[in-house]
Amino acid sequence: AIWMTQSPSLLSASTGDRVTISCRMSQGISSYLAWYQQKPGKAPELLIYAASTLQSGVPSRFSGSGSGTDFTLTISCLQSEDFATYYCQQYYSFPYSFGQGTKLEIK
Amino acid sequence: EVQLVESGGGLVKPGGSLRLSCAASGFTFSSYSMNWVRQAPGKGLEWVSSISSSSSYIYYADSVKGRFTISRDNAKNSLYLQMNSLRAEDTAVYYCARDQSLRWPIDYWGQGTLVTVSS
Repeated sequence: AIWMTQSPSLLSASTGDRVTISCRMSQGISSYLAWYQQKPGKAPELLIYAASTLQSGVPSRFSGSGSGTDFTLTISCLQSEDFATYYCQQYYSFPYSFGQGTKLEIK
Repeated sequence: EVQLVESGGGLVKPGGSLRLSCAASGFTFSSYSMNWVRQAPGKGLEWVSSISSSSSYIYYADSVKGRFTISRDNAKNSLYLQMNSLRAEDTAVYYCARDQSLRWPIDYWGQGTLVTVSS
């Protein structure tokens, strides 16, 4: 199984800030990594796949980078609707796995 | 519009069984792999099981292997999860989710159905 370490678990920021979330794999997964956003009481939504490809309809302030074992989600110029919980997920091999989540809260 | 609607959740005693269903619409169901992902109250996401478009390939998390069975009926555009020998730690919201195939991301999720295992 592939283990994932997502950090930080909690991130406090203000509207307009630039933030980054990290996801590290226990083994290489090429670029088979996705990022999801989840708001309270709602299902997750796909933001980025293939490590850096923006899902249709997702604002360009979201970006992803990395390959192999280290990946980053960046949100530039935070908007009020971005305060949520973010998860990374590897879909390179079964069992699929998710990061522990990063809760992005208003400072 | 892609829609995934789960049903079948509820309260069940430890050791009991439950069958979840997911009704799909708005896309060609038989062309997509499907998944179940769960989320315990206040916790993160946990992948549970996946099934390929023709049911040829099936995968389970170790935590449910031997107790849960995933299946699909392409004629009815439906996905199922038979859950047996339920434990308290199976308490979670269960999401039905689709992906295109192996090594494709999950791109749509249902709204989830809550399963509570308690005496």
